[in-house]
Amino acid sequence: QKEVEQNSGPLSVPEGAIASLNCTYSDRGSQSFFWYRQYSGKSPELIMSIYSNGDKEDGRFTAQLNKASQYVSLLIRDSQPSDSATYLCAVSRASKIIFGSGTRLSIRP
Amino acid sequence: DAGVIQSPRHEVTEMGQEVTLRCKPISGHDYLFWYRQTMMRGLELLIYFNNNVPIDDSGMPEDRFSAKMPNASFSTLKIQPSEPRDSAVYFCASSLAHQAFFGQGTRLTVV
Repeated sequence: QKEVEQNSGPLSVPEGAIASLNCTYSDRGSQSFFWYRQYSGKSPELIMSIYSNGDKEDGRFTAQLNKASQYVSLLIRDSQPSDSATYLCAVSRASKIIFGSGTRLSIRP
Repeated sequence: DAGVIQSPRHEVTEMGQEVTLRCKPISGHDYLFWYRQTMMRGLELLIYFNNNVPIDDSGMPEDRFSAKMPNASFSTLKIQPSEPRDSAVYFCASSLAHQAFFGQGTRLTVV
């Protein structure tokens, strides 16, 4: 079992709709959770961090964490063509940061 | 701050040659990570340092790989000898308060 699992996609969402990205992790001792966005040929860019159960909102992005279910999600509202990218879920325990393989998101006009 | 700086951006080398990748972390960050990214295996953690000390190198694939951090502003990842299967994008990232910021990466091609 991988430490951090994501559906590889591609996930295709119409412009203006909500994109929902999911991630599960295996280590119950994980303490910090992150979402990174990676455009093709570029480096990963941190877009959201979440540390406690519940929701955290930042603009069009909402991160959700459920430690009991070992589940992290990212919602993108009012999806734009510029949101087309690969989204990487990352999990940290004792400062060691492990990434999932990413979900490729495509926003169609 | 200029962010995490990696060099070179691209490296093409012949099998058997030594390759050295370089990284300058963000000033003040106390953690430094080396990752490798391929289509097949995704973003793999190779090794990470805390205050210049290696903490976990369990991701280093073989003895051919080594990493050093002689001071807070510089780290190297060395592959000797290189093999075609080492071809990948190698990222360095630095972190403070658990949030990691990535350099632009080095695209390594071993022919």
